[in-house]
Formats: sequence, C-alpha cells, structure tokens
Amino acid sequence: DSGVTQTPKHLITATGQRVTLRCSPRSGDLSVYWYQQSLDQGLQFLIQYYNGEERAKGNILERFSAQQFPDLHSELNLSSLELGDSALYFCASSVGGSGGILTGELFFGEGSRLTVL
Amino acid sequence: DQQVKQNSPSLSVQEGRISILNCDYTNSMFDYFLWYKKYPAEGPTFLISISSIKDKNEDGRFTVFLNKSAKHLSLHIVPSQPGDSAVYFCAAGLVTQGGSEKLVFGKGTKLTVNP
Repeated sequence: DSGVTQTPKHLITATGQRVTLRCSPRSGDLSVYWYQQSLDQGLQFLIQYYNGEERAKGNILERFSAQQFPDLHSELNLSSLELGDSALYFCASSVGGSGGILTGELFFGEGSRLTVL
Repeated sequence: DQQVKQNSPSLSVQEGRISILNCDYTNSMFDYFLWYKKYPAEGPTFLISISSIKDKNEDGRFTVFLNKSAKHLSLHIVPSQPGDSAVYFCAAGLVTQGGSEKLVFGKGTKLTVNP
C-alpha cells in the first residue's frame, strides 16, 4: 500500500460526458501528479500540483483540468469525453516540489480505470 | 516525441535465467534513470535507480547498467523468479531550469517469467 488513494477505481461513461477523478496523497506529501496510461502511450505525465499551486504541465488536453485543495487532495476533471480518453489514470505524490522523485520518492495510487463508450 | 523508449513490449524468460530489459533515451540532459515495476491492478512502484555519474547500481537480484555514450540503460534480473512477472517502466529525469524535477516514462515492457 503506497498510501495514495484514488477513487473511483473503475468508471464507465459515454462520449460527451464529464467525470471527476479524486486523489488523496500520502500523509505529509505536498505534491500531486497525474498520469495517463493508455495502451499505446505508456505513462504520460499530465500535470503536477504543489501545495495547491500548479507546478508543471505535461500533455494535458484543454478538455482536462485539475486542482489541488487546501487539504491537499486533488481532482482531475475530464470533460467532453471521447473514446480515446479511455485509459488508466494514475495519481502519484511526493514530499515536495523537488521531493526526490528523481531517486524514487514518487508514490503511485492504484489508478482509476476510465472506459468511455 | 518519445524521449524514453522501451522497444520491446514484452519479454518471456524461464525461471532461474537472466532477464534483461532495455531502455534508450534521446535527451542527453537526463541525469537520473529509474525503473518502476507494475503488477496488474496496482500502481507502479519504484524498483531501482542510477545517476549519470555511475555506470552500474546493484540491489540484490536487480542491477541497472547505464551507458551514457549510447544513451542506453538496462535492467538485469538474476535469477528471474515468477514473482518478477510484471510490467517494467523505464524513466529518465532531470532538474529543470526552474528547479523542478521532471520525470519521463517509457511505454513499459511486460516481463513474464515461466516456472
């Protein structure tokens, strides 16, 4: 158990809909990262938040948005869903903005599997 | 642009033999290299890392080799065990000019160790 909690574990929805994925980081971790794992793209970095502020942006679509709340949990909002958005969405956390992720201090949740029909 | 490439989507080996997983990168600015392991229905977990000042790092049955001139790293598992069957992600990282840390993952290699 990494200590990172993601809900829901599975989600099935239709094209055009909007969903929200939730993540609670490990106790004491200030940084939250969102990754997308699709069949042909591997683990793609979407966005990072540190202590409530956006810290880094990756390949996140404009239809997607995220935020980190004062209690440090984070939500990833996916709207106008398309079939190609079907993927595993991982949240990960680390201690701080430069929290040792380069030496393995990045902890992943179990992921939320999104299926868009 | 795939900066970290794992060209073998899958690998199958016999229990007790060596497993060698390969990874290539394109950005010479990467300073840190990591391997993560992922079991089905679980998130990736950190396995082993190496910095660019080294060419080898060993942790039990796992050894990572780095060849900077070739921009290539490999993970050796000796001896391989059925419990090692998982997807292995290679990752490369650097510190950006802004001081934040950036990690780029490959697509993963699915290792199957047959009893």
